[in-house]
Amino acid sequence: DSGVTQTPKHLITATGQRVTLRCSPRSGDLSVYWYQQSLDQGLQFLIQYYNGEERAKGNILERFSAQQFPDLHSELNLSSLELGDSALYFCASRDYTDTQYFGPGTRLTVL
Amino acid sequence: AQKVTQAQTEISVVEKEDVTLDCVYETRDTTYYLFWYKQPPSGELVFLIRRNSFDEQNEISGRYSWNFQKSTSSFNFTITASQVVDSAVYFCALSERQGGSEKLVFGKGTKLTVNP
Repeated sequence: DSGVTQTPKHLITATGQRVTLRCSPRSGDLSVYWYQQSLDQGLQFLIQYYNGEERAKGNILERFSAQQFPDLHSELNLSSLELGDSALYFCASRDYTDTQYFGPGTRLTVL
Repeated sequence: AQKVTQAQTEISVVEKEDVTLDCVYETRDTTYYLFWYKQPPSGELVFLIRRNSFDEQNEISGRYSWNFQKSTSSFNFTITASQVVDSAVYFCALSERQGGSEKLVFGKGTKLTVNP
């Protein structure tokens, strides 16, 4: 158990819908990262937050957004969903050694 | 830009065989970290090791060992006396500095199947 929690574990929705994925980092970690894992793109960095502020952006679509709240949990919002958004979404938190620990992931299926 | 190459897409071995997973990276940073993660069939990503670019000592942890060679930009992972439970996809990753932040750049992964 990495100490990073993610909910829900599975999500099935339809095209055009909006979903919210939730992540709680390990106790004491201030950084939260979001990654997408798909068969064609592999593991891709989406976005990073540090203590409530956006720190870095990767290959994140404009339809996707995220935020980190004062209690340090983070949410990834995916809107106008397309079939191609089906993927495993991971959250990770980074400790003082710059090691990222990953949550169990949320498997999103868009039908 | 940083890049990680895991040339072996799939490897299949018989239990108790030794197996080496290759990882080659590209970076212009002088300071960086390299990582290995394991993704078992259940899907989670499990941290295995972190290596600082200044530390070229090889590391051993039980049946796992890692060989870091800066001269060839490689960070290979060896499992000795493999077991069925080692069956998983293994990812090599490189930290990439972006402004004041770091993100991980992953290889495509190597799927290891250990047969009984």
